[in-house]
Amino acid sequence: NAGVTQTPKFRILKIGQSMTLQCTQDMNHNYMYWYRQDPGMGLKLIYYSVGAGITDKGEVPNGYNVSRSTTEDFPLRLELAAPSQTSVYFCASSQTLAGGFYEQYFGPGTRLTVT
Amino acid sequence: GDSVTQMEGPVTLSEEAFLTINCTYTATGYPSLFWYVQYPGEGLQLLLKATKADDKGSNKGFEATYRKETTSFHLEKGSVQVSDSAVYFCALSGGGADGLTFGKGTHLIIQP
Repeated sequence: NAGVTQTPKFRILKIGQSMTLQCTQDMNHNYMYWYRQDPGMGLKLIYYSVGAGITDKGEVPNGYNVSRSTTEDFPLRLELAAPSQTSVYFCASSQTLAGGFYEQYFGPGTRLTVT
Repeated sequence: GDSVTQMEGPVTLSEEAFLTINCTYTATGYPSLFWYVQYPGEGLQLLLKATKADDKGSNKGFEATYRKETTSFHLEKGSVQVSDSAVYFCALSGGGADGLTFGKGTHLIIQP
């Protein structure tokens, strides 16, 4: 059981380039999330999905796009990379606790630098 | 909106010292509360959780009690080890599917 996997682990992009961060989970969780972590800050939610075909914006969605064609995969797309998108990106998935709360499981992260 | 405030770091302690990392929250309703730990170069791992008032979460010698009256969820450990050096995040879930709200994290450094 691999949990949540992310690729790549590291990436350097030039300004204006595009890329896709991959995320896959094998726990059959319906809910998946993308966060970014900036130095000295907590995690900020970019996008989330409550199931295949359903996505919604989080706190900081500008400059990103997502899709959810399967339960397992939730890729994050950067179309025109900007230095402000230099960050560590974490994918997570969650199961429902009793009472309707959500316990999240995180991938190892992708460290992205835009120069 | 929901928010989590935790003590700023870094916090530096000697091995076997007592640890407290303060966490307070603001939320409507009755959130679930979590502590996550991030070791260098790794993702976040769930350390412990509490889903209702007066619940005590515990794991690996760490404990935290959900105090509704003081809106707090302080993390404690009686005797820290060098291997506990990491960044600790307090977080809450308001019950919706729209992710967790995190504090900024506290960097803990344990010296031998």
